[in-house]
Amino acid sequence: SQKIEQNSEALNIQEGKTATLTCNYTNYSPAYLQWYRQDPGRGPVFLLLIRENEKEKRKERLKVTFDTTLKQSLFHITASQPADSATYLCALFKAAGNKLTFGGGTRVLVKP
Amino acid sequence: DTEVTQTPKHLVMGMTNKKSLKCEQHMGHRAMYWYKQKAKKPPELMFVYSYEKLSINESVPSRFSPECPNSSLLNLHLHALQPEDSALYLCASSLPPAGLNTEAFFGQGTRLTVV
Repeated sequence: SQKIEQNSEALNIQEGKTATLTCNYTNYSPAYLQWYRQDPGRGPVFLLLIRENEKEKRKERLKVTFDTTLKQSLFHITASQPADSATYLCALFKAAGNKLTFGGGTRVLVKP
Repeated sequence: DTEVTQTPKHLVMGMTNKKSLKCEQHMGHRAMYWYKQKAKKPPELMFVYSYEKLSINESVPSRFSPECPNSSLLNLHLHALQPEDSALYLCASSLPPAGLNTEAFFGQGTRLTVV
C-alpha cells in the first residue's frame, strides 16, 4: 500500500538555524512531491513542488531535495525566523483520479 | 483572483439537521477537492471532482453528499451527522491534475461542530 511518513515529533529550533524536515514515501511512481505550510485553523498553503527527476529545488530560504533511491524528500528552512513556526506537510500525487494525499505533517517552532 | 472561498466559516448543527458547505473558485480550475481535518492530524481526502465529475470517493459515509453544479462551485451536503464528524472541512482546487506541474489552492475551511 502507499504510505507517506513525516516525523510526527515537533521540531524546536533556534532562530537563525536551519530546520530540516523529512518525508518518506512508498509505492508512489512517478512521484511528484509537494510541500505545504499550514497555520492553525487555516488551509494549507503551497510552498514547493519537486519531480522525481529533479534533485533539488529552491525558493527564497526554502530548499527541497529528492532522493528517489531512498524514496525520501528533505525540506530545509534556512535562517529560520519565528514567523516560520507552522506545520509543514508533504503531499504526493496519484494520477488516477487526481488524488493528492498528505503525510502526517511536522510542527516547527522557531524560538527567538 | 487566486482564492478559494468557503462558506460558512463556522457551523454548528444538530444531528438531525441538514446543512450544506459551499466552496467557490474563479481560477478556471477543473479539479476540486473536499478534505476533512481533525485536530493535530493531516487533511484527509474525501472527494475529488475532475471536470465536474466525481472521480474519487474515499469510502465516505453517505451522510456526506458532494455536488459540483458547475466548474466554479463545489458543495458538500450534510445530513444526520455524528459528533465525531466535527472537524475542519477544507475545499481545494487545482488546474488538474494537482501534482504534475501544479499546486492545490486551499480555502480557509469550515469549522463544523455537530452537537
